[in-house]
Amino acid sequence: NAGVMQNPRHLVRRRGQEARLRCSPMKGHSHVYWYRQLPEEGLKFMVYLQKENIIDESGMPKERFSAEFPKEGPSILRIQQVVRGDSAAYFCASSPSPLLNSPLHFGNGTRLTVT
Amino acid sequence: KQEVTQIPAALSVPEGENLVLNCSFTDSAIYNLQWFRQDPGKGLTSLLLIQSSQREQTSGRLNASLDKSSGRSTLYIAASQPGDSATYLCAVTPTMSYNTDKLIFGTGTRLQVFP
Repeated sequence: NAGVMQNPRHLVRRRGQEARLRCSPMKGHSHVYWYRQLPEEGLKFMVYLQKENIIDESGMPKERFSAEFPKEGPSILRIQQVVRGDSAAYFCASSPSPLLNSPLHFGNGTRLTVT
Repeated sequence: KQEVTQIPAALSVPEGENLVLNCSFTDSAIYNLQWFRQDPGKGLTSLLLIQSSQREQTSGRLNASLDKSSGRSTLYIAASQPGDSATYLCAVTPTMSYNTDKLIFGTGTRLQVFP
């Protein structure tokens, strides 16, 4: 029973390029969450998605960031025109039901470095 | 605004010691509290989930308590081992209806257990 799969593990982008981060939730999980961990800071919520729907994107920067969770395939976090401040570890998590009753299962993260 | 604080930020102990990690939160209106473990370069592993109606949860050598009214939780690790070395994070799920889909994380306690 594979856990939450994220790829790539490490991603290097030059300023101005696009970064695409992928997340496949655990089997049977339809709730996906993205968190960002900046150096020396705690994890911060970015966005919560269910299949084909964005439920809560209150933690997403207003510009350059977008997320989707299509009917088929992984969830994608997309960062356009990356800047050095986007360098961070991006974690995806999934659960079978809303957070009130279920623990979150996290992937190993994608470490984005912007040069 | 909910804030989660963890003390101490770092802890180094000899193998075999019993130890306590502390977590405090400013708003007692929470649905649950989770303790996670994060190994370097890895994702988060859920250790214990305590619902707001519960006082404690146990798993092996780990015991987590919750005092919601005072905004505190402790993680007790018995007979610590070098393999326990990791960063321990606590996170709460707030009860505000528009906030129940996200975890609020503390910045963690970095634990090192030496032989």
